[in-house]
This record gives sequence, structure tokens and C-alpha cells, in this order.
Amino acid sequence: DAGVTQSPTHLIKTRGQHVTLRCSPISGHKSVSWYQQVLGQGPQFIFQYYEKEERGRGNFPDRFSARQFPNYSSELNVNALLLGDSALYLCASSLSPSGANREQFFGPGTRLTVL
Amino acid sequence: QKEVEQDPGPLSVPEGAIVSLNCTYSNSAFQYFMWYRQYSRKGPELLMYTYSSGNKEDGRFTAQVDKSSKYISLFIRDSQPSDSATYLCAMRRDNYGQNFVFGPGTRLSVLP
Repeated sequence: DAGVTQSPTHLIKTRGQHVTLRCSPISGHKSVSWYQQVLGQGPQFIFQYYEKEERGRGNFPDRFSARQFPNYSSELNVNALLLGDSALYLCASSLSPSGANREQFFGPGTRLTVL
Repeated sequence: QKEVEQDPGPLSVPEGAIVSLNCTYSNSAFQYFMWYRQYSRKGPELLMYTYSSGNKEDGRFTAQVDKSSKYISLFIRDSQPSDSATYLCAMRRDNYGQNFVFGPGTRLSVLP
């Protein structure tokens, strides 16, 4: 079975541009979460979506937005890119956001470089 | 003060050694504790998941939680070069949502 997939693998953008990152969860998983991992730090929670609804939001500016589609895949959008947005963006999926099926499985990430 | 503190290392040990990795936290609301392993240029992989204080063992890995001291540990027995990775502790406040708080990670190198 395929794990969590993310695209693209790498991305280079310039300041002020916008970017869209994509994630496909494990088949059957309905919950998707996004994390930002700056080099040398642990992942920081950005968003969680379950059944196409936002269920949680971390401490990130409004330049960050996301959505989940009927097939449970998800997009993370970042507008007006800043140098500090350079990071590894991780997507994690789980069967549900709570209960016994809350274990998260992470994708390989998208490495975003902002110049 | 950060919510979760973790010695970033790097930590180098010889093959076969017992490795001890630790995290401290400040928020007593944390109830669920996890250890992830992250290889270079890969996403984190869940190793251990614990809820209550005490020990939980899985193969060569033992997770220990001391809620009274706000301290968690991961022990790796008979360490192997393939264990060389960054180890992240993570915590969550409640049984709902995926709002995990991660430590910065400890880089471990197991030398053959």
C-alpha cells in the first residue's frame, strides 16, 4: 500500500510569490494535518482537516491556508512568501483525529526554498 | 521557555551501546507522548506511543514517562548503525485533534 505522498518534492520560489503544496493521504484515511519543519527544529503544527473541515489551526499567519477535497487529498497554500517560509512541509494522515485511530503517518515532505 | 526541550546533540555512540534520549516539558496538560525517528530527507516515523506514566517496551525500544517530573525518555538497546537518525519527542494535550508539539530533535550517530 502506498504511504502518504506529497508533491512536489522540492520547490524554489522568490519572495512575494505564492506556492501550493499537495498531499495524498493513505487510502482510507480521512484526517490530514500539515506541519512546517525548519532546519534543525521539530515540526510545527499548521492545520488539521477532517472530512473536509478545518479541525485545528496552529500559530501561523493568514498567509497560510489549506483545504481538503472530497477524496481526502489536501492542499496547503502560502501567499506572499517570506525568506523565513523556507522549510520542509510535512503532511500527515490518520484514520480519524481522535480515538484509537489517531496515529499519524507522515509523508516525505516538500522542501521549499524561498530566495 | 519552550514547551518541549530536547538536547539537540549530536550524540555519537558505538554499535551495541544503550542509548538514552530525553525530553522535558513544561505544560502539565500534556497527556499523550510519542517518539518519532526521522532519517535525513524523510518524514518522521512513529516509534512509540504512550499515555500513562511508566514504561512501555517494543523490541529494542523502551519509552518511559514520568508525568510528576514532566520528563520522558526513549532507551534503545543494542544500538545499530541503522538507528542513526534524528529522534523527535512529541506530545499532545488531549484525545482530540492532531495538535502535536514536537521537541527540536536529537541527532544520533551509531558508529560501527
